[in-house]
Amino acid sequence: DVKVTQSSRYLVKRTGEKVFLECVQDMDHENMFWYRQDPGLGLRLIYFSYDVKMKEKGDIPEGYSVSREKKERFSLILESASTNQTSMYLCAHGRDTEAFFGQGTRLTVV
Amino acid sequence: LAKTTQPISMDSYEGQEVNITCSHNNIATNDYITWYQQFPSQGPRFIIQGYKTKVTNEVASLFIPADRKSSTLSLPRVSLSDTAVYYCLVGDIKGKLIFGQGTTLQVKP
Repeated sequence: DVKVTQSSRYLVKRTGEKVFLECVQDMDHENMFWYRQDPGLGLRLIYFSYDVKMKEKGDIPEGYSVSREKKERFSLILESASTNQTSMYLCAHGRDTEAFFGQGTRLTVV
Repeated sequence: LAKTTQPISMDSYEGQEVNITCSHNNIATNDYITWYQQFPSQGPRFIIQGYKTKVTNEVASLFIPADRKSSTLSLPRVSLSDTAVYYCLVGDIKGKLIFGQGTTLQVKP
């Protein structure tokens, strides 16, 4: 089975905290993604990584950064969490145009 | 990246064939057309991909006309469990996946 592991299913953080969301895959795929999904706004790409230490901004990178030091791990960082970053965060990995998604992390910033 | 346009929602009944059409007028030569399905509380799941003409797998068929400016996802004999959001994506093989709003399909008994 394809496995995408996100570090937490539910997370509550305070405004101003630095937040790390981690994603690990075991398929040796080059591509990894971070999305956020909000009602009425669909699935929006935050960052895309196509190789170790390589990244591209998605549609909504503001307020986020990413790290990919190893092929299997892609981290999303919220430098200073804000309430408007409360959302469902989905990690994915894949090759070509086929991607495999995790269950998501429901992040609430209070 | 080519923009896609698809209906916001569709209704169907069990046992019917459902066709969801996606417009992508500015698709590039290197672009592929990919469809994903998303159930509530889950991440999207890859359904099918094509470049031109027709592609079929165990889940769906994808019809792409010669000009490639649109594509149609066909779901044969839908059941209640096919109720989901369906996304049409267009992009090159590098794989940067941009999702639109998708089409919410509601299958009724």
